[in-house]
Amino acid sequence: NAGVMQNPRHLVRRRGQEARLRCSPMKGHSHVYWYRQLPEEGLKFMVYLQKENIIDESGMPKERFSAEFPKEGPSILRIQQVVRGDSAAYFCASSPRNEQFFGPGTRLTVL
Amino acid sequence: AQRVTQPEKLLSVFKGAPVELKCNYSYSGSPELFWYVQYSRQRLQLLLRHISRESIKGFTADLNKGETSFHLKKPFAQEEDSAMYYCAWAPSGSARQLTFGSGTQLTVLP
Repeated sequence: NAGVMQNPRHLVRRRGQEARLRCSPMKGHSHVYWYRQLPEEGLKFMVYLQKENIIDESGMPKERFSAEFPKEGPSILRIQQVVRGDSAAYFCASSPRNEQFFGPGTRLTVL
Repeated sequence: AQRVTQPEKLLSVFKGAPVELKCNYSYSGSPELFWYVQYSRQRLQLLLRHISRESIKGFTADLNKGETSFHLKKPFAQEEDSAMYYCAWAPSGSARQLTFGSGTQLTVLP
């Protein structure tokens, strides 16, 4: 089991472009979580998904951000019309039930 | 709002010395508390959770409800313990929405 996979590891976008971050959970895990880490801060919860369902999106910004976890394929965190303030490390975690296993993160830089 | 506070951004100790990484939380109920560790160039991983009451790599943490603290302790630090440590909190009964502190970078000096 290769662990939680995230790609790309580094992503550079210009203001106004779209960013798509992918997360492949560990085999057998049906729960996916996304977190954002701004510089000098801890990880902040964004959204919790199960296959084809958003369970808790209380940490997601109301605009420009969306997430999905389709029946087939990875979970996608999508940021439309990126701004400089979106520059951060985005971490994905998966779990079978309770303990969360984290991916290596995607570092997004918005120019 | 529920918060987790780690007051020390940086902590340095000498090898063999005791180490304590502080964590305080604010929550009116009975939370689940965790310590996560991130070694250099590795991904974040669970170190221990308070309900397990176990010792991992010599580390222990006791939940003190009176002081709302969950400090991480090790009696004799090793150089390989150098890492970033995050305290995290989740509502009782699940580990769904984790709330993390800002982390403490521990450096164990030779």
